[in-house]
Amino acid sequence: NAGVTQTPKFRVLKTGQSMTLLCAQDMNHEYMYWYRQDPGMGLRLIHYSVGEGTTAKGEVPDGYNVSRLKKQNFLLGLESAAPSQTSVYFCASRASGRIGLFFGEGSRLTVL
Amino acid sequence: DAKTTQPNSMESNEEEPVHLPCNHSTISGTDYIHWYRQLPSQGPEYVIHGLTSNVNNRMASLAIAEDRKSSTLILHRATLRDAAVYYCIPTEGGIQGAQKLVFGQGTRLTINP
Repeated sequence: NAGVTQTPKFRVLKTGQSMTLLCAQDMNHEYMYWYRQDPGMGLRLIHYSVGEGTTAKGEVPDGYNVSRLKKQNFLLGLESAAPSQTSVYFCASRASGRIGLFFGEGSRLTVL
Repeated sequence: DAKTTQPNSMESNEEEPVHLPCNHSTISGTDYIHWYRQLPSQGPEYVIHGLTSNVNNRMASLAIAEDRKSSTLILHRATLRDAAVYYCIPTEGGIQGAQKLVFGQGTRLTINP
């Protein structure tokens, strides 16, 4: 059982480039989340989804877009990457009616 | 959202109990207390949650003060694998609460062999 899988795990971008991070979960969870974690800090919620076809903004949504076309996938897009978006990105999912979130292993993004 | 205060770091020895404190004096009456941990180079991992009563699971125990202004995560017999950053997060229960999980800086726990 893979759980929550994030791809890619590492990526280096130049300022202004675009990219998409993919999160896939095989647990049939309704809810999915994207967080970022900067050095020495806790996680901050970027966007989340409460079901297929729905998304909502979190604490730090600016500069990011998301889509949830399929229940098992949650995509995080950067249209024009900036150095301030250098971070480790974590995806998480949660089953309806349950409390705990399941996290992926993270995607380290560097924007030069 | 309730503000939390946790020690920046703690140290313990392998096979000894560990008590990780958290102060959340502004917690509302309906907030659950969640604990997550993050091992080095990994994503956070759910540990336990509770509302008023003490809670136990296979990973840990959660002791909640009677006035709910503080709680303590208890690892009964620490192993090297328990070395991690531990986050205490008060938030609403249900859908709204899960959307509002705010991960502060947590407590970095070091386990000595």
